[in-house]
Amino acid sequence: EAGVVQSPRYKIIEKKQPVAFWCNPISGHNTLYWYRQNLGQGPELLIRYENEEAVDDSQLPKDRFSAERLKGVDSTLKIQPAELGDSAVYLCASSLTVTGGTYEQYFGPGTRLTVT
Amino acid sequence: DAKTTQPPSMDCAEGRAANLPCNHSTISGNEYVYWYRQIHSQGPQYIIHGLKNNETNEMASLIITEDRKSSTLILPHATLRDTAVYYCIVSYAGTALIFGKGTTLSVSS
Repeated sequence: EAGVVQSPRYKIIEKKQPVAFWCNPISGHNTLYWYRQNLGQGPELLIRYENEEAVDDSQLPKDRFSAERLKGVDSTLKIQPAELGDSAVYLCASSLTVTGGTYEQYFGPGTRLTVT
Repeated sequence: DAKTTQPPSMDCAEGRAANLPCNHSTISGNEYVYWYRQIHSQGPQYIIHGLKNNETNEMASLIITEDRKSSTLILPHATLRDTAVYYCIVSYAGTALIFGKGTTLSVSS
């Protein structure tokens, strides 16, 4: 079974430029998460989707970050314009949520963003 | 903020059992204990989770105290490939995971 797929794996951009990250979750997983991990820290949630609905985006910096999950499968996270402080690893995770519970989250390899 | 406390680092000899402790004294009745690990430059990897009972799978065992205020992750025969940061996370099912700083486990030959 294929895991969570993310692309690109690495991205280097200049500040003020836009950037987008793509995630394909595990087949059948209806819940999708985007996390950001700064160097030496644990991942922090940016946004959580249940199917195509964003059910928790309280930690998403909405002035420059946006996300979408069309048709409740793939998702894209965008930053425009990027700032130096956005340099981090952006992780996508997915899980299966059913009535009565949610199974464990599976993470992709992440996209390492460097803003210069 | 993370609701767990873990030692920042631990060492283990290859082939021996690695016992990683975690304190979660403020855990609520419906919160699960999850363990993930992160090998350098990879995404976090799910290991095991439990609510009240001890759990075992092909990777590890999870021992949860009766009062649920602490737990221990046991890797029965550590190998060099088990060197990673191990995160103990307390969370309701279906919600985002709140990661702390974890325990860096170093397995040496």
